[in-house]
Amino acid sequence: SQQGEEDPQALSIQEGENATMNCSYKTSINNLQWYRQNSGRGLVHLILIRSNEREKHSGRLRVTLDTSKKSSSLLITASRAADTASYFCATVTSGTYKYIFGTGTRLKVLA
Amino acid sequence: EPEVTQTPSHQVTQMGQEVILRCVPISNHLYFYWYRQILGQKVEFLVSFYNNEISEKSEIFDDQFSVERPDGSNFTLKIRSTKLEDSAMYFCASSEGGTPYGYTFGSGTRLTVV
Repeated sequence: SQQGEEDPQALSIQEGENATMNCSYKTSINNLQWYRQNSGRGLVHLILIRSNEREKHSGRLRVTLDTSKKSSSLLITASRAADTASYFCATVTSGTYKYIFGTGTRLKVLA
Repeated sequence: EPEVTQTPSHQVTQMGQEVILRCVPISNHLYFYWYRQILGQKVEFLVSFYNNEISEKSEIFDDQFSVERPDGSNFTLKIRSTKLEDSAMYFCASSEGGTPYGYTFGSGTRLTVV
């Protein structure tokens, strides 16, 4: 798999359900970020988690990081129709300035 | 909350023309970046800029591209002679202290080359 690869590629759920998206990466990272992108729009930063952190919360969002498995997950609880968007993870390694983005998960929340 | 501002939001240009995409980073940020996203594809790193020079660039960032910080507030991306394949959304980002601090992205400029 490529650095920063999300699964599933697409996810469709009912409003009120939880949505879980996963990100896997190949090399050691300094930190990992999750972004949301509405169709054709900009990137909205959700959460940054550092390599020495295991879990972070922000409102209805919960991000976990397992560096031993080189994976992260984004959980959105009690989803809303407004959460419909693409979600990307982006990773950066020490000594570099660039984030590498995954291919994204397209989340559709049905009202 | 501080924002990264990009202008224009959409630009249409003829193939072979030069374009300049403009960005106003967050005022106390020191690191600046350009990324692009071709429709339906991944967000790709182009270049990072710190202390008035390029600190890292990708293979996409060839001689047709250049970046500049012409004054204390603007950060620009110039494409010298646009090609059809340059059509994409271009995102500017800035960060306070490099990648350990994360980025703030602008809302993007959609460039259409015809």
